[in-house]
Amino acid sequence: KAGVTQTPRYLIKTRGQQVTLSCSPISGHRSVSWYQQTPGQGLQFLFEYFSETQRNKGNFPGRFSGRQFSNSRSEMNVSTLELGDSALYLCASSPLGHQTNEKLFFGSGTQLSVL
Amino acid sequence: SQQGEEDPQALSIQEGENATMNCSYKTSINNLQWYRQNSGRGLVHLILIRSNEREKHSGRLRVTLDTSKKSSSLLITASRAADTASYFCATARNSGNTPLVFGKGTRLSVIA
Repeated sequence: KAGVTQTPRYLIKTRGQQVTLSCSPISGHRSVSWYQQTPGQGLQFLFEYFSETQRNKGNFPGRFSGRQFSNSRSEMNVSTLELGDSALYLCASSPLGHQTNEKLFFGSGTQLSVL
Repeated sequence: SQQGEEDPQALSIQEGENATMNCSYKTSINNLQWYRQNSGRGLVHLILIRSNEREKHSGRLRVTLDTSKKSSSLLITASRAADTASYFCATARNSGNTPLVFGKGTRLSVIA
């Protein structure tokens, strides 16, 4: 089985722009979660999608949004980028998600730099 | 919010030595998981220990869990240069449908 695929691998944007990141989960996995990783804050949970519905949301401003498609692929969008949004964005998939406390399978991440 | 806190933040050892990392957490848990991350890459799941288990082994990995102290340890025996990575503990809380919460990790350097 192919692993979790995230695109693009690297992204450079300027303040005020918006960005869309993509994640394709492992085949058969219906849950997709997004995490933001920074050196100062570590891994922070953004949101989880399951069967196209947002099931959980972390403590991030409304500029951060996401969605999931019927094939379980997910996108996350950040609007009006700020310097502090520079981070590694990690996508993780699992069959049933956080509700079952199961392990997560992570993609390699998208490294976003905001200039 | 961070649930798990790893200790030490960084650890440097010689190849062949054992490496021990600790994790403390605050609330009751369903299970505790350890993940590894190579520089700038995604996390890889290593081992999951449930709240009713006290010790678990997987190859050169040994994980212990003490729910009374709300702590866990990860032991890597006979370390290799390839074990150089960051190691994170993550807790799954007892209350349903809450996300897996990660600590800030221990950076392990194994010197050949």
